[in-house]
Amino acid sequence: EVQLVESGGGLVQPGGSLRLSCAASGFSVSSYAMNWVRLAPGKVPEWISYIGRSNNIIYYADSVKGRFTISRDSAKNSLFLQMNSLRDEDTAVYYCARDGGTNWDLDYWGQGTLVTVSS
Amino acid sequence: QSVLTQPPSASGTPGQRVTISCSGSSSNIGTNGVNWYQQLPGTAPRLLIYRSNQRPSGVPDRFSGSSSGTSASLAINGLQSDDEADYYCASWDGSLYGLFGGGTKVTVL
Repeated sequence: EVQLVESGGGLVQPGGSLRLSCAASGFSVSSYAMNWVRLAPGKVPEWISYIGRSNNIIYYADSVKGRFTISRDSAKNSLFLQMNSLRDEDTAVYYCARDGGTNWDLDYWGQGTLVTVSS
Repeated sequence: QSVLTQPPSASGTPGQRVTISCSGSSSNIGTNGVNWYQQLPGTAPRLLIYRSNQRPSGVPDRFSGSSSGTSASLAINGLQSDDEADYYCASWDGSLYGLFGGGTKVTVL
């Protein structure tokens, strides 16, 4: 059974950093493109980052470019999101999602981890 | 940056058919098709339709999708009370970013 479990969220002050993790089971993260998507209260889902099956294909939304870094560890079968220079507007539930391989279809999602940026 | 435009709300009585539209552009829906997601309160989005008209296993055939050019639509036939949720269209844009529509809240009257 495919499962994604995020962790690492919490309360952080503006300008601070957090590292989110997404532990995968039931498949190999190195065999699929993976994404991070966030959902802020009362807002629509916002895609923030993509890593292709080959690690040299990485994309970011303009809103996080230069501040966030996506990566994965095949040995740990996990996806990561390093978030630096956090802002109030980064407050959201962060989801990792697997790309099923057919035109960016996100076929499996984790349960999400809440990031709150506040002083 | 491109946007995907959806109506903010749709409604119907149990058993009725509800359709939701999604309008994009040649750089997203026109090239890469559209995927549809259902989101129930407090849960992660669930893939309902991919590649404009394909259903993942486990999705009831009451849900169907279609597209033409730069627009797409999701139809829910035989509306049920547990279909009450937010529905989002999504597409990859050729400028190398993912896009979600503004979402449509479906209410079962």
